[in-house]
Amino acid sequence: EAGVAQSPRYKIIEKRQSVAFWCNPISGHATLYWYQQILGQGPKLLIQFQNNGVVDDSQLPKDRFSAERLKGVDSTLKIQPAKLEDSAVYLCASSLDVGEGPHNEQFFGPGTRLTVL
Amino acid sequence: KQEVTQIPAALSVPEGENLVLNCSFTDSAIYNLQWFRQDPGKGLTSLLLIQSSQREQTSGRLNASLDKSSGRSTLYIAASQPGDSATYLCAASANAGGFKTIFGAGTRLFVKA
Repeated sequence: EAGVAQSPRYKIIEKRQSVAFWCNPISGHATLYWYQQILGQGPKLLIQFQNNGVVDDSQLPKDRFSAERLKGVDSTLKIQPAKLEDSAVYLCASSLDVGEGPHNEQFFGPGTRLTVL
Repeated sequence: KQEVTQIPAALSVPEGENLVLNCSFTDSAIYNLQWFRQDPGKGLTSLLLIQSSQREQTSGRLNASLDKSSGRSTLYIAASQPGDSATYLCAASANAGGFKTIFGAGTRLFVKA
């Protein structure tokens, strides 16, 4: 079974530029998560999709970050314009479902390391 | 608001030692707790998932326990090996105004050969 795929693996941009990250979850997984992990910290949930609907985006800085999951499969996360403090690893994860039960185990992709200069 | 704390932040042990990593959470109304391993520059690898109705889960040399009433989980690693060196993260998931997953900052483990 293929895991969660992410691209690109690394990205370096200047502040105020735009950047987009792509995620392909495990086949059949209804729930998709985007996390931001700053060096030395645990991942912070940015947005969570159930199929193509948003379950939670309370920690997404909506003035500059946007995300979509068209057709309930792949997802893209965009930052526009980027700030220095956006330098982090952006992790995508997926699970079969959400809520009580073993189907909510989360599986992570390799992440995209973003450096904003 | 859920907060997850992991102690210690870093740990160095000789090979072969048994060790315990701690995870505490402030809101006991969780529906699961998951332990992950993260190697430098890599994503997270799921180790064990404990549902709220369970007390522990085991996989090989790893054993994770959950005590919801005290807001604590422990990850026990038996007979540690240099290959166990990594950062270990715990994450608590709860239905609190929407399904949310909160991570601890992790424990960085170094096993000396």
